[in-house]
Amino acid sequence: EVQLVESGGVVVQPGGSLRLSCAASGFTFDDYTMHWVRQAPGKGLEWVSLIRWDGGSTYYADSVKGRFTISRDNSKNSLYLQMNSLRTEDTALYYCAKDIGAGSGSYTFDYWGQGTQVTVSS
Amino acid sequence: EIVMTQSPATLSVSPGERTTLSCRASQSVRSNLAWYQQKPGQAPRLLIYGASTRATGIPARFSGSGSGTEFTLTISSLQSEDFAVYYCQQYNNWPLTFGGGTKVEIK
Repeated sequence: EVQLVESGGVVVQPGGSLRLSCAASGFTFDDYTMHWVRQAPGKGLEWVSLIRWDGGSTYYADSVKGRFTISRDNSKNSLYLQMNSLRTEDTALYYCAKDIGAGSGSYTFDYWGQGTQVTVSS
Repeated sequence: EIVMTQSPATLSVSPGERTTLSCRASQSVRSNLAWYQQKPGQAPRLLIYGASTRATGIPARFSGSGSGTEFTLTISSLQSEDFAVYYCQQYNNWPLTFGGGTKVEIK
């Protein structure tokens, strides 16, 4: 059974930093592209970032480019999101999501974690 | 950035009825379109990808159609567990973008 478990979400002040983690199990982690997707309170879904199976390529939404860094450790079946220079508009539930396609990815999300809440507030 | 527009924002439907949700892209996304279902307090669930391919385990009452800029998700006979918010997502261009969602509520 595929499982994705996010952690690391807390309340942080504007300008602060945070590192989210996602522990994956139930599939061959290093075969798949992985994503972070967020959802602000009462709002829709926003794709944040992806990293390809080998960590060789990463992509970001313009809203986080230059502030967030996605990474992975295939030896630990783990995905990360380093979040710097946080803004109030980054407040959201952050989901880790598995790409449906092996290899370079197909850019749709077939499994999601339950999310970790990030609140940016003074 | 490709803007995805879903309509209507809210749909009131009786159980057993057939319903159709719409998603429009601001430019062609070919068939690179997915649909997700989200219930309150839950993560989204993939329903459809490639505009018309049902994901694993998705009941046959869900079907998707369209290509280019116009897409539809049809639920042939609404069950109680289908009342939820539905999102479309394009994956033809960077950045990946979602529609604003359609809430399907009980009439």
